[in-house]
Amino acid sequence: EPEVTQTPSHQVTQMGQEVILRCVPISNHLYFYWYRQILGQKVEFLVSFYNNEISEKSEIFDDQFSVERPDGSNFTLKIRSTKLEDSAMYFCASAEDSSYNEQFFGPGTRLTVL
Amino acid sequence: RKEVEQDPGPFNVPEGATVAFNCTYSNSASQSFFWYRQDCRKEPKLLMSVYSSGNEDGRFTAQLNRASQYISLLIRDSKLSDSATYLCVVSLYSGNTPLVFGKGTRLSVIA
Repeated sequence: EPEVTQTPSHQVTQMGQEVILRCVPISNHLYFYWYRQILGQKVEFLVSFYNNEISEKSEIFDDQFSVERPDGSNFTLKIRSTKLEDSAMYFCASAEDSSYNEQFFGPGTRLTVL
Repeated sequence: RKEVEQDPGPFNVPEGATVAFNCTYSNSASQSFFWYRQDCRKEPKLLMSVYSSGNEDGRFTAQLNRASQYISLLIRDSKLSDSATYLCVVSLYSGNTPLVFGKGTRLSVIA
């Protein structure tokens, strides 16, 4: 069964450093998302991406964040200057073009900012 | 973005029990409804979509009441493997739009 993959599984970084989180969505999917989950809290939407551009973003997704689909398979989330409060699980999700909006999540990257 | 509210639990039930989870959502414009399951420190996994007429998948039954903005999930004949956090999820529009998650209800099924 096709699945969303993410790398790395765990990233530790110093405050102020840049990080890039990588995702490979399911191959025939057209819609891509990043969500995050701070430990003990709910999953929160960050950004959605379709047709090579951002389609929607939340208040969390400020100028420190950017997304890119550099080739036909990878979908990346970059945090330019990490803060302590960026520590969370970051989940990538993808969906095919349908009215059902069934999104499939990757296993996540645990980001720890020290 | 408005809230999705769930009883956080935990619900501790014996194997074989029937357990019900409830969820309310505040935005009446919400169009799509789901239950996801999340195991500890893992990704959310789609359990089932929730349709207006209600739907069943094996031991799992989901109901939607749009007038009350209320969604439920019933699990019959609980198994140890059902132990997880159950996330109520809505999206504002049909089609591919961001998901809004509840905080989840934790279920522990005990032998």
